[in-house]
Amino acid sequence: DIQMTQSPSSLSASVGDRVTIICRASQSIRTYLNWFQQKPGKAPKLLIYATSTLQSGVPSRFSGSESGTAFSLTISSLQPEDFATYYCQQSYSFPYTFGQGTKLEIK
Amino acid sequence: QITLKESGPTLVKPTQTLTLTCTFSGFSLTTSGVGVGWIRQPPGKALDWLALIYWDDDKNYSPSLKSRLTITKDTSKNQVVLTMTNMDPVDTATYYCAHKFKTTATFDYWGQGTLVTVSS
Repeated sequence: DIQMTQSPSSLSASVGDRVTIICRASQSIRTYLNWFQQKPGKAPKLLIYATSTLQSGVPSRFSGSESGTAFSLTISSLQPEDFATYYCQQSYSFPYTFGQGTKLEIK
Repeated sequence: QITLKESGPTLVKPTQTLTLTCTFSGFSLTTSGVGVGWIRQPPGKALDWLALIYWDDDKNYSPSLKSRLTITKDTSKNQVVLTMTNMDPVDTATYYCAHKFKTTATFDYWGQGTLVTVSS
C-alpha cells in the first residue's frame, strides 16, 4: 500500500494568514493527489484533484502544487469558514489511501 | 445534480453481517467511467477507503478487508450495496458512499454518511 503522510497534524492560524499543508507519498503517485476538506459532522468535500486542479466552486484562495516528492495545499488568505480538517488522498493505485489529516484551528 | 445517500442499520452486534445501501441520483452507473465507492471513518480518526465498483462491474477492495467485503450494484434502482461480514467493535465508524468519475479520478460527490455502531 502507498502510505500518505501529512504534516503538520494540527495547525493554529489566524484569519488572513497564509497556510501550507504538506503531504508525502511513500512512492511515486505521479499527479494523482487529491485534497479534501472536512468539517465536523459533515462529509469530506473535494477541493483539489490531480495535484493542482481546483474542483468547481472552490474558492481560488485554495491551491495545490508539487515539489519533488512532496505535495502541498496552500490557502492564501484564511477565511473563517476554512477552519476544518484537511486530508490528502492518492488515487494512483489501489488501495486508495488517505493521509492522517491536518486539523486547522483558529489561533 | 448528483446526490447520494447511505442507509442501513445504526447498530449491529459483533459477528453479524452489515448491509449498507447507497441510493443515488443525478448520474447513471451504466455511464462509461462512472464508479461508486465506500469510505469509512472511525470516530475521531482518518478516512479509510473500502471498496469501489465501476459502470462495467469492475470491482476493487481494500486488501485488508477484502475477505469480508462484497460490493454490488443495481442499475435499475440506482443503488450500490456494500456487505461486510463478521462485524467487530473496531468497525464502528461513519460509512460514506461517494461518486467517482474519470475526469477527477477521485470521489467528487459524497453522501452524508451513516454511523454504524458495533456493540453487543
